[in-house]
Amino acid sequence: GAVVSQHPSWVICKSGTSVKIECRSLDFQATTMFWYRQFPKQSLMLMATSNEGSKATYEQGVEKDKFLINHASLTLSTLTVTSAHPEDSSFYICSAIRDSQETQYFGPGTRLLVL
Amino acid sequence: GENVEQHPSTLSVQEGDSAVIKCTYSDSASNYFPWYKQELGKGSQLIIDIRSNVGEKKDQRIAVTLNKTAKHFSLHITETQPEDSAVYFCAASREPGQAPLGGSQGNLIFGKGTKLSVKP
Repeated sequence: GAVVSQHPSWVICKSGTSVKIECRSLDFQATTMFWYRQFPKQSLMLMATSNEGSKATYEQGVEKDKFLINHASLTLSTLTVTSAHPEDSSFYICSAIRDSQETQYFGPGTRLLVL
Repeated sequence: GENVEQHPSTLSVQEGDSAVIKCTYSDSASNYFPWYKQELGKGSQLIIDIRSNVGEKKDQRIAVTLNKTAKHFSLHITETQPEDSAVYFCAASREPGQAPLGGSQGNLIFGKGTKLSVKP
């Protein structure tokens, strides 16, 4: 089956620093990758849709300058949380799809804690 | 760690019939169980969730049941319509904030999805 990895699995950083999270499709080429965030006591929320070679499409309320997404290749998308603050502490999950007719495959997630 | 199994992987029903998707989980400490709907080519959206202090939750044509003793939960869609056709994912976790620092126990663990087709 298709495998999606994320790195790092968890990270602790100081307030004001930037953190990069990688999402990789290991055994397939992903035309589209999605980034989600899980808020405390809430469920997963879609942040943005990322297509290889084009700008990401952000959901309403998500700051594109705060959450930079780069989808430079068909197997790698990165999410950079810029100038992180404690309220950015969360669980970030990516998923990837091979083509629009297929299901998505979730990564294992990255837990971010901003001190 | 938590492991979530989802069945069936594909499901085809006639319009108007009911559809049931089942998930089992392994971590008895899991207490949050959301369901997501993914339309082809799009990201997933939460459709309903349930916490372990209730056994059933209903929202119009969608309901979720939870059996903590047996560690399984199910999604029920009644009076299915063609627009219900999608891939559905279940997930399980402990509520965020209940995991030790650096641990993964608070993370959502997903089932592999069920592709539901509703035939007109």
